[in-house]
Amino acid sequence: NAGVTQTPKFRVLKTGQSMTLLCAQDMNHEYMYWYRQDPGMGLRLIHYSVGEGTTAKGEVPDGYNVSRLKKQNFLLGLESAAPSQTSVYFCASSYPLWTSGQGYEQYFGPGTRLTVT
Amino acid sequence: DAKTTQPTSMDCAEGRAANLPCNHSTISGNEYVYWYRQIHSQGPQYIIHGLKNNETNEMASLIITEDRKSSTLILPHATLRDTAVYYCIVRVYGSSNTGKLIFGQGTTLQVKP
Repeated sequence: NAGVTQTPKFRVLKTGQSMTLLCAQDMNHEYMYWYRQDPGMGLRLIHYSVGEGTTAKGEVPDGYNVSRLKKQNFLLGLESAAPSQTSVYFCASSYPLWTSGQGYEQYFGPGTRLTVT
Repeated sequence: DAKTTQPTSMDCAEGRAANLPCNHSTISGNEYVYWYRQIHSQGPQYIIHGLKNNETNEMASLIITEDRKSSTLILPHATLRDTAVYYCIVRVYGSSNTGKLIFGQGTTLQVKP
């Protein structure tokens, strides 16, 4: 199993450009999450999804959109990038917490390092 | 979810036990204590979790006080590869919780030779 993969690993954007970050998981997890991490800080939740076709806002959703068209994929979009969105973006997935015997942890991808100039 | 307090940084000698404390004085009865770590900007990695009993797995042990207001993560024989930021997180377990993790600043553990 590849686990959680993220594409791309690095990206440099100019202010106002758009891009989509792709997260894929092969563990058949229901839940998926997008976090961002700024230097010296903990992770903050941007958006999450509890199933195919559903999404919800996290702590810092402004400036981002997401889609979960397939269970295994979770896309994060930046429509008009700003320097404040320079960060490392992590995707994660998990089973629902009440799924007995399936484990309780979130599995994280390796991250996408985004710089907006 | 209850707020947690951790020391900003700690040092540990290689081969010795690393004891990482966490205060969660406002924890509720249905909230679990989870520990994750993040090695050098990689994605966070789950370590262990518990409700009120002490827990042990292949990576670490978790000791929760009887009043559940604090806990300690123990790495029994720390190695240089255990150098990382360790996050203590309290979260609700059950169908009403969407699994969101609220990360604080964590404790930076430096294991020294």
